[in-house]
Amino acid sequence: EAEVAQSPRYKITEKSQAVAFWCDPISGHATLYWYRQILGQGPELLVQFQDESVVDDSQLPKDRFSAERLKGVDSTLKIQPAELGDSAMYLCASSPRDGTDTQYFGPGTRLTVL
Amino acid sequence: GESVGLHLPTLSVQEGDNSIINCAYSNSASDYFIWYKQESGKGPQFIIDIRSNMDKRQGQRVTVLLNKTVKHLSLQIAATQPGDSAVYFCAEKTLGNEKLTFGTGTRLTIIP
Repeated sequence: EAEVAQSPRYKITEKSQAVAFWCDPISGHATLYWYRQILGQGPELLVQFQDESVVDDSQLPKDRFSAERLKGVDSTLKIQPAELGDSAMYLCASSPRDGTDTQYFGPGTRLTVL
Repeated sequence: GESVGLHLPTLSVQEGDNSIINCAYSNSASDYFIWYKQESGKGPQFIIDIRSNMDKRQGQRVTVLLNKTVKHLSLQIAATQPGDSAVYFCAEKTLGNEKLTFGTGTRLTIIP
């Protein structure tokens, strides 16, 4: 069964450092999402891509966060500089091109900022 | 703003019994609802979904009920097993907007 891949699974960094997360969606899925999930809460959308284009980044803190999906396949989310409040699970999800609404999530990257 | 909320943050059920997890939503324009299961340290796993033109949908051991009149959604899990222990999230979206809005989650614990 196809799955969304993410790496690394865990990342520990010090504040003010740069971190990057990678996501490879299910093959053929046109839409890719990055979510942030704080412990005990539901995921919150950071950015949504349709192919290589950003369609919603209204909740992305653009002063420190950036995301790209250059070839419309895999994607990278970067934080620079990291702050203590960025500690969270970063989830990637994808959905197919056929218009179905189901989003399939990857295992996430657990970020701890010290 | 619009929100999706859950009535109970925790729920404990005896193994083999049925469980019901409830979810209230406030956006009357919501047209798609989805339940996810999230085990500790893992990403949300799709369980079942339902569109607003339906009031019930069944899967394997799971049933989702939608009551649009009172903006209420429930997930029923039949014959619960230890592996059902997890946090369950409901989420909703509106027609033309691909953004999913998640609720806080309910932690389901199956007691052996």
